[in-house]
Amino acid sequence: DTGVSQDPRHKITKRGQNVTFRCDPISEHNRLYWYRQTLGQGPEFLTYFQNEAQLEKSRLLSDRFSAERPKGSFSTLEIQRTEQGDSAMYLCASSYAVSPLHFGNGTRLTVT
Amino acid sequence: TQLLEQSPQFLSIQEGENLTVYCNSSSVFSSLQWYRQEPGEGPVLLVTVVTGGEVKKLKRLTFQFGDARKDSSLHITAAQPGDTGLYLCAGGSNDYKLSFGAGTTVTVRA
Repeated sequence: DTGVSQDPRHKITKRGQNVTFRCDPISEHNRLYWYRQTLGQGPEFLTYFQNEAQLEKSRLLSDRFSAERPKGSFSTLEIQRTEQGDSAMYLCASSYAVSPLHFGNGTRLTVT
Repeated sequence: TQLLEQSPQFLSIQEGENLTVYCNSSSVFSSLQWYRQEPGEGPVLLVTVVTGGEVKKLKRLTFQFGDARKDSSLHITAAQPGDTGLYLCAGGSNDYKLSFGAGTTVTVRA
């Protein structure tokens, strides 16, 4: 069990640029989740995949955000036309069915 | 908006002291989880409680789920510097989505 891996760990970008993050879940896990965490807050749910199907998207996920999990394995989260308010820690988690979530160490995004 | 309210927000104690953090909600949860998060890392699951009134012990940590499944507490006995971290509670209302509290930052001074 190598755990949930996220890349990059840190990303600094200028406002208006596009960014893409990658998450590699634990290999046998069929569920994958994206959460966002800002300073002083707990993680907030963004979206959820079961295998390759995206089954729920939070209202927090504006149309500038898109997530994919094309083969039911790794996932990408893209943010287009970044804004300063997008600065946060983006956490990926995976699970097998209803088992507890295993989180990665996140990608910290700073939009300048 | 956090559905789960955690208190206190910050807690600083001396090594060897006991501490309790609380997690309260007006919603009923099918399960409640406690996580610990260290700076620059993702949350790590400590325990899941599912039955109202349930008490679970994990070494020096004791977790309790309220009878009505709306609240929970975490008690640490004889805290050590290694217990320092952000403690998060999270409630599950369906089988995949967790709602997190804002967390309690615990600092244990040596």
